[in-house]
Amino acid sequence: EVQLLESGGGLVQPGGSLRLSCAASGFTFSSYALSWVRQAPGKGLKWVSDISGSGGNTYYADSVRGRFTISRDNSKNTLYLQMNSLRAEETAVYYCAKVASGYYHEFDYWGQGILVTVSS
Amino acid sequence: EIVLTQSPGTLSLSPGERATLSCRASQSVSSSYLAWYQQKPGQAPRLLIYGASSRATGIPDRFSGSGSGTDFTLTISRLQPEDFAVYYCQQYGSSPRTFGQGTKLEIK
Repeated sequence: EVQLLESGGGLVQPGGSLRLSCAASGFTFSSYALSWVRQAPGKGLKWVSDISGSGGNTYYADSVRGRFTISRDNSKNTLYLQMNSLRAEETAVYYCAKVASGYYHEFDYWGQGILVTVSS
Repeated sequence: EIVLTQSPGTLSLSPGERATLSCRASQSVSSSYLAWYQQKPGQAPRLLIYGASSRATGIPDRFSGSGSGTDFTLTISRLQPEDFAVYYCQQYGSSPRTFGQGTKLEIK
């Protein structure tokens, strides 16, 4: 059974940093691209970042490029999102999601999400 | 960036009725790389449809997807109580991946 479990969320001040983790199990971790998607309270889904299975290719939404860094440790089956210079409007539930196959594919599994609150 | 516009914003129907949800793209979606997700309050999204018309594993056959190019539809043939939720379309054929703003399906 595929499982994705996010951790590392919480309250952070504007301008602060936070690192999210997503521990995966139930599939061959290094064979699949992974993504982060966020959802502000009461709002829709917004894609944040992708990383290829090897970790060699990364992609970012324009709104986070230069401040967020996606990475993965294939030996630990864990995905990360380092978030710096956080803004109040980035308060959201952050989901990690598994790409079904290759890169241009749908998200077939999602974690339960972790809340990040950016506030003073 | 491909903008996806979903309509209606809210759909009020009764159990047993048929639901038709629309997703229109600002430009053609490559190879019908379009998915539909269902999200219930406090839960993560769940994949329903991929490739515009293929049902994901374990999804009941009352859910069906259709369309190509810029116009896509999710149809729920006979609504069950557990189907009332928010539905999102997503295109994954070009970067950045984008989602529609969602359609809330509520009980009438």
